[in-house]
Amino acid sequence: EAQVTQNPRYLITVTGKKLTVTCSQNMNHEYMSWYRQDPGLGLRQIYYSMNVEVTDKGDVPEGYKVSRKEKRNFPLILESPSPNQTSLYFCASSGRVGEKLFFGSGTQLSVL
Amino acid sequence: GESVGLHLPTLSVQEGDNSIINCAYSNSASDYFIWYKQESGKGPQFIIDIRSNMDKRQGQRVTVLLNKTVKHLSLQIAATQPGDSAVYFCAEISMDTGRRALTFGSGTRLQVQP
Repeated sequence: EAQVTQNPRYLITVTGKKLTVTCSQNMNHEYMSWYRQDPGLGLRQIYYSMNVEVTDKGDVPEGYKVSRKEKRNFPLILESPSPNQTSLYFCASSGRVGEKLFFGSGTQLSVL
Repeated sequence: GESVGLHLPTLSVQEGDNSIINCAYSNSASDYFIWYKQESGKGPQFIIDIRSNMDKRQGQRVTVLLNKTVKHLSLQIAATQPGDSAVYFCAEISMDTGRRALTFGSGTRLQVQP
């Protein structure tokens, strides 16, 4: 089944403790992206990747890192999480940039 | 659970009625539009898309209308069912941004009354 898989589904952590949210797609998509979703602010892009080893900042990149060492994986790294990064995170992919995105099921992160 | 869309506009319809969800966009350079459906606890799911060289596109029970003159997009759902209850987002892609990222609207909550 074609899908975008992200883990974990729920995560509670404390300020400053590094964490990684994994994302994997099995559709051989070139383009991958991370979004956060907050009440009243909608979906905002954090980082994106047009292909392996090519990543760039989205609208809200502060406090996040990504890597794209393989085509299928695009992990989101929070080196020192803060409470304002409490949010619902979505990974998404598309065949190429500018095409419709396929989303994962989301990761609900709470930073205490 | 998620608290997305606490203050979203809400459209309430009776089962079997037709639903129309509207979306306004501001960028005249946008050339590709997508409607997504997001059910509670799930990620956004693609419904239908339309390019700027079209003004109407139909899918199964859904129709998207694009009015470029007034920068307006609508999603029509025929014979609305309880399973259609969700938050609906429009999204646009503009040619004038190099990264061609999807920009999402704030969403509309559709509630279907049985």
